[in-house]
Amino acid sequence: GQQLNQSPQSMFIQEGEDVSMNCTSSSIFNTWLWYKQDPGEGPVLLIALYKAGELTSNGRLTAQFGITRKDSFLNISASIPSDVGIYFCAAPQNFGNEKLTFGTGTRLTIIP
Amino acid sequence: NAGVTQTPKFRVLKTGQSMTLLCAQDMNHEYMYWYRQDPGMGLRLIHYSVGEGTTAKGEVPDGYNVSRLKKQNFLLGLESAAPSQTSVYFCASGYGNIQYFGAGTRLSVL
Repeated sequence: GQQLNQSPQSMFIQEGEDVSMNCTSSSIFNTWLWYKQDPGEGPVLLIALYKAGELTSNGRLTAQFGITRKDSFLNISASIPSDVGIYFCAAPQNFGNEKLTFGTGTRLTIIP
Repeated sequence: NAGVTQTPKFRVLKTGQSMTLLCAQDMNHEYMYWYRQDPGMGLRLIHYSVGEGTTAKGEVPDGYNVSRLKKQNFLLGLESAAPSQTSVYFCASGYGNIQYFGAGTRLSVL
């Protein structure tokens, strides 16, 4: 089946730093999604991307749909303590789009 | 607006016991899903439903059964729990690609 590879697996940064993470696949997708999971909670949708090359922002978060349609990127600017959590990329498994494949996640930790 | 509600939040079972996890959504979504989350493995789809009265298998369906008798509810059953089913279980509902998740059920099987 389709596999989404997220990098890095974990990040340890200081408050105020910018963060970059990515998600790659050998398959082509028509949608990329980014979710965030706070500790002890379920994932919450941050950004949805529907077009190759698309750049979309949500506050300090910016995500891009890779031009090859095989990757996506998420950047967080000026990190704050509430950014701590696990970030997942996701993409539809099939043409009908009712099933998603999730990446293995990037765990973000902020060092005091 | 409660969104997606999962019960219970925590459960400990002995090997061989059975249990049912309940998921309820109040957003009138057609699609509902059950995932399990294990360390380092992300979210894996167990079963899903595209409407009332329908169910389908996901990536890891073995050892689980589901039912969708009402549009707003999606039940996940474990008939004979095994230690390999120790995990955090998430329910989601949605439309198209967009899915909304519950807070999870942490299950331990001893």
